[in-house]
Amino acid sequence: GQSLEQPSEVTAVEGAIVQINCTYQTSGFYGLSWYQQHDGGAPTFLSYNALDGLEETGRFSSFLSRSDSYGYLLLQELQMKDSASYFCAVRDGNDYKLSFGAGTTVTVRA
Amino acid sequence: GAVVSQHPSRVICKSGTSVKIECRSLDFQATTMFWYRQFPKQSLMLMATSNEGSKATYEQGVEKDKFLINHASLTLSTLTVTSAHPEDSSFYICSAWDRAYGYTFGSGTRLTVV
Repeated sequence: GQSLEQPSEVTAVEGAIVQINCTYQTSGFYGLSWYQQHDGGAPTFLSYNALDGLEETGRFSSFLSRSDSYGYLLLQELQMKDSASYFCAVRDGNDYKLSFGAGTTVTVRA
Repeated sequence: GAVVSQHPSRVICKSGTSVKIECRSLDFQATTMFWYRQFPKQSLMLMATSNEGSKATYEQGVEKDKFLINHASLTLSTLTVTSAHPEDSSFYICSAWDRAYGYTFGSGTRLTVV
């Protein structure tokens, strides 16, 4: 089986930087993904790490350390539109199933 | 990019009736389709995995006779909630997997059973 842990909520002001940590336990590992979901909407893909290190995509970056079973999503220059839930997810086998963490609600204040 | 069209976006039905939710991959062939359920403020919970032309594989605790999944073609998968009850009210999301595009999510269906 697999389990993922991430903080339940984070609040920050516009322009700030937020880091959302994710630790995971899986029987196999095929990469750590991050998704954003606004209220009532579908998850949208943000980032994916298969190898150790930092992946940067605009204001969002994601980091992975496979030896620590740990990753994080970094949100920079926060904007009001970044208020959403953020999920880490792992694929742990050949069946391509994605398992999601419980989600972190990010609230951006003016 | 890849698009998965999910319909309906919202549906209200009476207790005891059945509801069908469709997911179509518009510009690619979805080898595998996943169906998730999400309760308010909670995570996406995988219900079942379907591959075209074969029976769906259900996760532990998901009643296969209640949640009927049909994946008749590489571009269409359906989830039918049979004899719906208020506790089935939830947000249902499909996700298609393709080697070229990875995971593509539908826009979700908000089911309310009254």
